Amino acid sequence: GQSLEQPSEVTAVEGAIVQINCTYQTSGFYGLSWYQQHDGGAPTFLSYNALDGLEETGRFSSFLSRSDSYGYLLLQELQMKDSASYFCAVRDHDYKLSFGAGTTVTVRA
Amino acid sequence: ETGVTQTPRHLVMGMTNKKSLKCEQHLGHNAMYWYKQSAKKPLELMFVYSLEERVENNSVPSRFSPECPNSSHLFLHLHTLQPEDSALYLCASSQEYGTPTGNTIYFGEGSWLTVV
Repeated sequence: GQSLEQPSEVTAVEGAIVQINCTYQTSGFYGLSWYQQHDGGAPTFLSYNALDGLEETGRFSSFLSRSDSYGYLLLQELQMKDSASYFCAVRDHDYKLSFGAGTTVTVRA
Repeated sequence: ETGVTQTPRHLVMGMTNKKSLKCEQHLGHNAMYWYKQSAKKPLELMFVYSLEERVENNSVPSRFSPECPNSSHLFLHLHTLQPEDSALYLCASSQEYGTPTGNTIYFGEGSWLTVV
């Protein structure tokens, strides 16, 4: 089966940088995705890494190391609106998407 | 607005009731999903439909019954649920299912279900 590990909670102040790590064990691998979910809202797609390296999209970046079965989401210049839950997800050999339990990020003034 | 609309947003039902959750996607996608989200747990995939055909049924109890009348609509029929079934039920869609690349999943805002 698949398993994904990510921290349950992270707290940081506005303007800070937060890194959310995700380690995974999966049979087959076709990419690591990140989703953001605000309280009461829909999970929304943030990024997708199929190959090793860093993908940057504005203040958010995502990194993947396939040899280490590891990735992270980097949130820079944190803003209050970034307070949300962040989920990593991997696509396995059946192309099914399996999600982690989520990391709750709390941004303080 | 994600292009995936779910109704109702909140539902309270007794254990002997029959109710249904509805999902509609306006994205022209071919695959639709039901996920269950419980607090502090990973999203659990329940059912997948591709081109209106059920392709995944992840050991979900028969008290949950999906229906996909066309590629834009998905229902989850609920019957004799248990209190532990209380959760957020998320509908989602993607362009395709069963291919290695892309397939970004677009979620609706979910239906909060409370079983009393």
